[in-house]
Order: sequence, then C-alpha cells, then structure tokens
Amino acid sequence: SQQGEEDPQALSIQEGENATMNCSYKTSINNLQWYRQNSGRGLVHLILIRSNEREKHSGRLRVTLDTSKKSSSLLITASRAADTASYFCATESGGATNKLIFGTGTLLAVQP
Amino acid sequence: DADVTQTPRNRITKTGKRIMLECSQTKGHDRMYWYRQDPGLGLRLIYYSFDVKDINKGEISDGYSVSRQAQAKFSLSLESAIPNQTALYFCATSDAGRPGTQYFGPGTRLLVL
Repeated sequence: SQQGEEDPQALSIQEGENATMNCSYKTSINNLQWYRQNSGRGLVHLILIRSNEREKHSGRLRVTLDTSKKSSSLLITASRAADTASYFCATESGGATNKLIFGTGTLLAVQP
Repeated sequence: DADVTQTPRNRITKTGKRIMLECSQTKGHDRMYWYRQDPGLGLRLIYYSFDVKDINKGEISDGYSVSRQAQAKFSLSLESAIPNQTALYFCATSDAGRPGTQYFGPGTRLLVL
C-alpha cells in the first residue's frame, strides 16, 4: 500500500513561477524525502527532512514538514523548463531503516 | 560512469518465460533494493538486501526472486513472467551510515506479451 499521497497529481506552470506540491502520509516517520524523476529515468534524491525538523532549504527548493498533520510540501521557486519532471515523496518509518515507501507522484510541467 | 547500472535497459518477453534483470553498483553500499513502477502507483518495493547474506521480501514479492551474488550485484528474476509484470523496474542502493537516501539505477522497461 502507498504511504504517501501527493497533490496535485499534475501541475502546469510558466517558467519563473513557483511550484508547490504536497504529500500526505499515514504513519509516524523517521524522515521524509523528495525525489525527482525525469521521464522514464531513475529517481534522483533532492532533499531529506527529519521528523524533528519543520523546514529545510536547498537551493531553489524549500521543504516543510508538519508531523501533526502528517503532511509535507515541496516548493520550487523561480521554476525553469528543466524542472519539468515527476516529483515523489518517500517516507522512512520506525525500525525499517532505509526502507522507503513512495507516494504516487506529482507531474510538473514548466512551460517556457 | 554511472554508479548504479541495470541490464538490460529494455526487454520484451513472452508469458511463461524466465528472465533475469541485473543490477551492479560501484558506490560501495551494503544495501540494495528492487522496485517496480506502474503508472499512477509510484514505486513499490519488491525485495531488498542489507548485505550479501541478507534477503528480505518487500511489499510485492510474489512471482519474483532475487540473488545477491556479491556486495555490488543484486539480480531480480521472474520465474514465469506474466503480462501484469509489465512495468518499469528500478534497482537502488543506500549506505547504512547515511539513513534514508537511496541512489537509483536508470531502470529496465519490461514488456511481457
């Protein structure tokens, strides 16, 4: 079963705009991660946020985590056409260290 | 050179055939994983291995088997392929000393006719 559900399923924006995607999960977690997947390719790790953190930044990426609501958001600022990809959240829980459960993904299209 | 490689990249096979997908890594990681990806379902874990002598079932292991031949090699077998095993298969690795982050191969696209 999927741990994470992502919203929206698809998002289309213009270059330069910000993109926000959300992830909800079901059980308590050790950490939550975001990955990017270009069409038909392997996933690339973007950022990890631990359960005791509320916000984290990496370049144009900003991730928030609200453990009380079991949700996370990924914000990509000043988007570029090269940001076009699918974005997945993944959670790592309990004693199952390094086992990730992935969400269903958000497909982001950035129009030039 | 890529750190995590998968062979073949594409494969077409017929129902009932046995096939093997191979994964190799040069990252020196102990932990390796096999996932399948279906449209709209994200990635689901098939099997994982935390070291050469360790094999664990994931969420959807039925119809699959694995072999960890060495620290760097982890192969996935479909004993008797069926059409609903048509999917994109990914191998991944992680470092026990760095919790969470996984590194993915480029994927194998499998079509079972």
